[in-house]
Amino acid sequence: DADVTQTPRNRITKTGKRIMLECSQTKGHDRMYWYRQDPGLGLRLIYYSFDVKDINKGEISDGYSVSRQAQAKFSLSLESAIPNQTALYFCATSVEYLGELFFGEGSRLTVL
Amino acid sequence: AQSVAQPEDQVNVAEGNPLTVKCTYSVSGNPYLFWYVQYPNRGLQFLLKYITGDNLVKGSYGFEAEFNKSQTSFHLKKPSALVSDSALYFCAVSFHKLSFGAGTTVTVRA
Repeated sequence: DADVTQTPRNRITKTGKRIMLECSQTKGHDRMYWYRQDPGLGLRLIYYSFDVKDINKGEISDGYSVSRQAQAKFSLSLESAIPNQTALYFCATSVEYLGELFFGEGSRLTVL
Repeated sequence: AQSVAQPEDQVNVAEGNPLTVKCTYSVSGNPYLFWYVQYPNRGLQFLLKYITGDNLVKGSYGFEAEFNKSQTSFHLKKPSALVSDSALYFCAVSFHKLSFGAGTTVTVRA
């Protein structure tokens, strides 16, 4: 089983719909991250969390929200999806801040 | 400002030939440097990192990277490429924050 699991792996939705992407991890890491990958842009940080009570905005947090339900669970929500949020989303964990990241398999989101 | 650049969008090599993927960075201090690889329909996997010490870092799958402080570069290398090395490679620099390059697609032809 994967150490970092993302659900769903693929999702197609319509503009204006609320969508939630979920991430769970069995690595026991306190630090969790949500990234967005777009072709030619690399990965950009959306939100990160250092523990259950700590949530921080990343580079591109507008239009997104997160919830850290437990040490092992970190969810990303799009309250009202728009087409330019079509992307590949990755959850990641780490032992230390700015250290090696452990990624999930990704969630491909298409907003029509 | 912190930045990382991968000047080549694509690198094409023949199997058995040396492979180099270039990365340059700009930070005001001494960063951590990373390489990650992404295979199709998979998440990124850690290859190697430089923190301090020896400028030549060895990593997974026979890859290595050379840190050059004067040129602010951290190029990824493999002496003999395999078809299975075909993937998307990302350089990342970690200082006050973690920044990823745009990625380089490597194609190794048989």
